[in-house]
Amino acid sequence: DAGITQSPRYKITETGRQVTLMCHQTWSHSYMFWYRQDLGHGLRLIYYSAAADITDKGEVPDGYVVSRSKTENFPLTLESATRSQTSVYFCASSPISRFNEQFFGPGTRLTVL
Amino acid sequence: TQLLEQSPQFLSIQEGENLTVYCNSSSVFSSLQWYRQEPGEGPVLLVTVVTGGEVKKLKRLTFQFGDARKDSSLHITAAQPGDTGLYLCAGEDTGNQFYFGTGTSLTVIP
Repeated sequence: DAGITQSPRYKITETGRQVTLMCHQTWSHSYMFWYRQDLGHGLRLIYYSAAADITDKGEVPDGYVVSRSKTENFPLTLESATRSQTSVYFCASSPISRFNEQFFGPGTRLTVL
Repeated sequence: TQLLEQSPQFLSIQEGENLTVYCNSSSVFSSLQWYRQEPGEGPVLLVTVVTGGEVKKLKRLTFQFGDARKDSSLHITAAQPGDTGLYLCAGEDTGNQFYFGTGTSLTVIP
């Protein structure tokens, strides 16, 4: 019972490089989410998806791209990483809606030098 | 714009003490959730409150939703080291937007 997994768990990259963070869930939940967590800001929604091939912007989408070709995968891409994107990124899923209980992955700590 | 402000931001107490964490907003929320996040892990849902004035208890944790549905509190009785973590409130406002609060980091010292 893997649940929801994220990879890599830690990543160091340089400014301007493209980085993709992976998220995989085994529950077949309809909804998936990407958040970033920064001290003093709690969790801020980057993008979410209600189903395969359906994505929508969250609170802080600039500089990020998502796709969802399969229900179980929801990768997040930073097309040209900036230092301000240094953060801990969490993927989550929910079976019902974005307003119900969300199940979170363990997070990816990304450092952009 | 941060719609859910939590206080205090940091809290360090001795084992056995009581504490209250607050989640406040100027907006009305249809429902409000409380999550706990342990170091190195993602948040885990503790409770959801949906009715103004609602009180829910989970062992030593008591959650309350304000009458006007603009605020919530989490009270922990006789805190234990296992309660250490980041407590996050989250809610759906009446405009169908969902937000997480700023978080309260709790440390319980044995």
